[in-house]
Amino acid sequence: EDQVTQSPEALRLQEGESSSLNCSYTVSGLRGLFWYRQDPGKGPEFLFTLYSAGEEKEKERLKATLTKKESFLHITAPKPEDSATYLCAAPNAGGTSYGKLTFGQGTILTVHP
Amino acid sequence: EPEVTQTPSHQVTQMGQEVILRCVPISNHLYFYWYRQILGQKVEFLVSFYNNEISEKSEIFDDQFSVERPDGSNFTLKIRSTKLEDSAMYFCASRDRGHSPLHFGNGTRLTVT
Repeated sequence: EDQVTQSPEALRLQEGESSSLNCSYTVSGLRGLFWYRQDPGKGPEFLFTLYSAGEEKEKERLKATLTKKESFLHITAPKPEDSATYLCAAPNAGGTSYGKLTFGQGTILTVHP
Repeated sequence: EPEVTQTPSHQVTQMGQEVILRCVPISNHLYFYWYRQILGQKVEFLVSFYNNEISEKSEIFDDQFSVERPDGSNFTLKIRSTKLEDSAMYFCASRDRGHSPLHFGNGTRLTVT
């Protein structure tokens, strides 16, 4: 069964304190790994897609990396506005629909000023 | 930037009543989805829709659920006879062709009393 597991469940940082979020997956024949940001009461907002081990993507203070078993979302010098829940997701193996995603439970990031 | 829009933002209904949740996907997208998120739980797949038919559905998507694309812009989710356990945030999503990512709306919070 496809599984996506994120850690930690919650992370509190001081402004400027860099850290990483982890997403481990057991999806055979990975067809992509997505990172989303979700603010309270809102829908997931797309951040990155990673397709193969060794790939990296960057956007402002965020950098996503991918290995054969896990992905990391690195946050460099975070600001309070980076506070949100970060979700990772992967298309199901063997699913006919590429958009049938298995989501992790998310990491709730809080950045204090 | 184009976005997925959902209405209403909040729907309260009594158990056994029918509800219709509405979505306007991004205009040039080809694939459409409904996901739901029960409070405190993971985002979970309900159904995918392509070329005017359901391409895949989850175990959750039983005979009480149906989807429709009545015209060139709207995409709806109908729950025929709501149950208490249907209370959740329902997200509509759409994507373009190939391995493009899903773009989500901000959801409809459904409360069944």
